[in-house]
Amino acid sequence: SQQGEEDPQALSIQEGENATMNCSYKTSINNLQWYRQNSGRGLVHLILIRSNEREKHSGRLRVTLDTSKKSSSLLITASRAADTASYFCATEDNFNKFYFGSGTKLNVKP
Amino acid sequence: DAGVIQSPRHEVTEMGQEVTLRCKPISGHNSLFWYRQTMMRGLELLIYFNNNVPIDDSGMPEDRFSAKMPNASFSTLKIQPSEPRDSAVYFCASSFGGGAGGPNEQFFGPGTRLTVL
Repeated sequence: SQQGEEDPQALSIQEGENATMNCSYKTSINNLQWYRQNSGRGLVHLILIRSNEREKHSGRLRVTLDTSKKSSSLLITASRAADTASYFCATEDNFNKFYFGSGTKLNVKP
Repeated sequence: DAGVIQSPRHEVTEMGQEVTLRCKPISGHNSLFWYRQTMMRGLELLIYFNNNVPIDDSGMPEDRFSAKMPNASFSTLKIQPSEPRDSAVYFCASSFGGGAGGPNEQFFGPGTRLTVL
């Protein structure tokens, strides 16, 4: 299965701290995306990184991609209580098929 | 744009009944995805359409599940007959692009929470 695996499954930090989540996958990809899901809501796209890119930034988000290790990381800097949510990585393979990981549940304590 | 619209938002039904979930994608998007989310199995892709044509339905659990996209602005996911293990949140998502069009960003609907008693 191509399904990604996020690590850790759950993360609890204090407001202001940085949060790092990791994602590993199994086969070749076109791109990797990170999504956020608030409880009871649909997923919201955060950032996309292409297979030929190594790092990307968007506001307080920093994403890295290591295709040799088949892994990606999402860093949220200066976290806020409003960042509390589940975060998923999604890989798109060469057939435009998406595989979502199992998610990391982030809790940011005020 | 109102975003991806799903109906109903909640559905409670009894085992054996037919269930139909509906989705209206964002206007102009050419790909539509149906997902199922449970605590045990996470988020699973059931089927996706490109230009109204089913491209990959390998995620559809079994013959009880069927999906259609009669036009670019409407899709249905039907379960007949429903079983308690079908209880989950079903998400519809749409995107523009893919293939030669480049990578997709998917826009998700709010989901339909299905409970089969």
